[in-house]
Amino acid sequence: DTAVSQTPKYLVTQMGNDKSIKCEQNLGHDTMYWYKQDSKKFLKIMFSYNNKELIINETVPNRFSPKSPDKAHLNLHINSLELGDSAVYFCASSQVSSGSSDTQYFGPGTRLTVL
Amino acid sequence: QQPVQSPQAVILREGEDAVINCSSSKALYSVHWYRQKHGEAPVFLMILLKGGEQKGHDKISASFNEKKQQSSLYLTASQLSYSGTYFCGTAQAYNQGGKLIFGQGTELSVKP
Repeated sequence: DTAVSQTPKYLVTQMGNDKSIKCEQNLGHDTMYWYKQDSKKFLKIMFSYNNKELIINETVPNRFSPKSPDKAHLNLHINSLELGDSAVYFCASSQVSSGSSDTQYFGPGTRLTVL
Repeated sequence: QQPVQSPQAVILREGEDAVINCSSSKALYSVHWYRQKHGEAPVFLMILLKGGEQKGHDKISASFNEKKQQSSLYLTASQLSYSGTYFCGTAQAYNQGGKLIFGQGTELSVKP
């Protein structure tokens, strides 16, 4: 009964490949997020979706494309992977659309390593 | 604008206290505190919304100053389980779609 789950947990791939990370939440929340945490532990928001609608898009290269088939799922597809994409990617969710006063619950993370 | 956390790292003995600060050059709407253990997800601790607010549970508490530009996290009588990296996440306004800007983190190690 994990609240926010991500697959896969680890992803090792070659430069230039395309990969996807999946996220699901069973909390009934309206808003979901993708964060990137680099090797220095800097945690930065990438995208947020509210009920399948893109709300935040933070100057992320367009090789990254989020997709939300329904409000419980938010996937992240990355094209033409580069070395600098190596990081831990966290999915999160919150109950309401603003989120500024609402708790964000994080998934376990996906460690992406690009060789 | 990224908030600044201090100190960057702190080492404690069990039972000692620590304070972690999170400062912004502009007034904030809210401050969210998280703890992340190595290899795990950030775990929510608390949110502060009002200037002058203080909150706490168990032996971890936090405050938000009147100008809403600084928040402090207080850990008293630290336990081994408190070890981890603490992050403050800040929101500049109510209606930013949940955008949190995180500080660089404070690494806390509690030794026996």
